[in-house]
Order: sequence, then structure tokens, then C-alpha cells
Amino acid sequence: ELKVEQNPLFLSMQEGKNYTIYCNYSTTSDRLYWYRQDPGKSLESLFVLLSNGAVKQEGRLMASLDTKARLSTLHITAAVHDLSATYFCAVADGNQFYFGTGTSLTVIP
Amino acid sequence: EPEVTQTPSHQVTQMGQEVILRCVPISNHLYFYWYRQILGQKVEFLVSFYNNEISEKSEIFDDQFSVERPDGSNFTLKIRSTKLEDSAMYFCASSAELNYGYTFGSGTRLTVV
Repeated sequence: ELKVEQNPLFLSMQEGKNYTIYCNYSTTSDRLYWYRQDPGKSLESLFVLLSNGAVKQEGRLMASLDTKARLSTLHITAAVHDLSATYFCAVADGNQFYFGTGTSLTVIP
Repeated sequence: EPEVTQTPSHQVTQMGQEVILRCVPISNHLYFYWYRQILGQKVEFLVSFYNNEISEKSEIFDDQFSVERPDGSNFTLKIRSTKLEDSAMYFCASSAELNYGYTFGSGTRLTVV
């Protein structure tokens, strides 16, 4: 079974600071996705990364994919309180996604 | 923006009862999925459905589970005899193509008592 590990599991950061969330996975895949989940809510699609070296940016979030290292990163720039949520990476294998354990991000004013 | 709609939002059922969770995927999507998330844990794959049949299923999706697309719009997950450990948030998702990201529904919180 494909294993997906995220770190850190919990992240508390001050507004204005930068940080990176890491997503490692165990087998070859060139499809990786990032989702955001607010408490009690559904999963909101953030990024779709479909090739080695893919980099996508939306606002203060930037995601990248290195398929050779089996690593994706989600970089947060100048964090704001609205970014507080749980972030999941998911790796596709065939027809299913394997989700990471999630990173619970709290941005402190 | 098109949405995946799930009903009910919350269902409480007694152990051993059957439940049916309903989903209306986005109309032009071809791939349909069910995932579940036990409180505080990661999201787990249950089943994928394409061309009116199951294309993949996980070990969680045992004989107690079934899926159906009874008409052109609904996609249902049935649990025949619920157990306490079936308590979770169940998410339906759909996608237009295999390489696209999914659109998830808002989920059904199932509580088995």
C-alpha cells in the first residue's frame, strides 16, 4: 500500500512568518494534490501537480513536486490568520487517492 | 461553481441498522468516489465507480458496503448492518477525468449508537 507521510502534524506560527509543509510518499506517482479542510467541513482543492518539477502558486501558498525524491512541499509565505486549517496532501495511484495524515496549521495574530 | 451535494448532512443510526448515504455528483463528471474520515484521522479511500461499475475498492469496503447509481444523477453508498466503528464523516467525490483533482461533497456525518 502506498504510504504518504506529512510533517509536521501540527504547526503553530505567527502571522507574517514563512513555513513549509512536507509530503513524502513511498512509491512512484506523478499525480499529487493538496487540499485544505476547515473544522467540520469538506476538502477544498488547492493544487493539482501532475509532473516532476511542477510548481503552482495561489496567493500566499506555493506547492511543488519532485517525483524523483517522492516529495511535495507546500510553502506558506507571510502567513495570515485565514490560513488556519488542516492541509492534506494526496497521492494518486490508479483510481484512488492516498491521503497524508494532515498538517493542522494555526496562525497566531 | 458546480458542487457535489450530499444528503443527509448528519445521520444517527442504531447499530445493526442499514443506512443509505446519498450523493449527487457534478453532472458532467464520469468518475465517482466514496471516502471516509474517522474523527481526527486521515481521509481513507473506500471505492471508485466508473461506467456503472466499481473500478477499485479498499479493504474497508467489505460485503457490508455497496454502491449504486440508480439513475443518471444519484450515487449512493449503502451500509447493510452498521457497526460502531462505521461512525465517521463520509465524503462523496467526483471528477471529470482521471488526472483531475476531485471535487468533494460537504460530507455526511454518520454516528452509530
